[in-house]
Amino acid sequence: GNSVTQMEGPVTLSEEAFLTINCTYTATGYPSLFWYVQYPGEGLQLLLKATKADDKGSNKGFEATYRKETTSFHLEKGSVQVSDSAVYFCALSIYYGQNFVFGPGTRLSVLP
Amino acid sequence: EAGVVQSPRYKIIEKKQPVAFWCNPISGHNTLYWYLQNLGQGPELLIRYENEEAVDDSQLPKDRFSAERLKGVDSTLKIQPAELGDSAVYLCASSLGDGREAFFGQGTRLTVV
Repeated sequence: GNSVTQMEGPVTLSEEAFLTINCTYTATGYPSLFWYVQYPGEGLQLLLKATKADDKGSNKGFEATYRKETTSFHLEKGSVQVSDSAVYFCALSIYYGQNFVFGPGTRLSVLP
Repeated sequence: EAGVVQSPRYKIIEKKQPVAFWCNPISGHNTLYWYLQNLGQGPELLIRYENEEAVDDSQLPKDRFSAERLKGVDSTLKIQPAELGDSAVYLCASSLGDGREAFFGQGTRLTVV
């Protein structure tokens, strides 16, 4: 079956620190990969995506590269801000109408 | 463009009572999802619609949960009767399908007391 594993949280960083949140996946087909972010009291918002191997998704200073050989899609940001404090979800979706499968989420807290 | 709209945002009910949630997806999105999100966990699929057809309801507890998507647009999710363990956030999402990104509503937080 399809599944997503991501690093356990919570992750606590100081402002301007480097962020990495690991994500690996198992898929029966060729998935598209996504990172979603959930701010307190809000729904999930798409942060970035990649649809094929070696694609790099980027948005708001966050980046993730689709690595087919390691089945990974790690999220990185060079300098985090307090406003980045949220829960981050890695997800996959298979073409031909398959469902989105989400990881358990990683809570990030950025301290001033 | 309006996003996915859900109502109500919050609902508190007593156990054994019925409850219903409503979702209006993004215009033109044929795929609609209902997800359940427990505290501290990722969303889990309850049901997926392609237009008005429920194409995956394997995770929907059909003894108490039901859903419909009339005319392939708006959707409602119902629980009857509600149990204490149903307390969670119910998320609706829509997509153009075929692996493309899903857009989520703000969710309905249900508390069963």
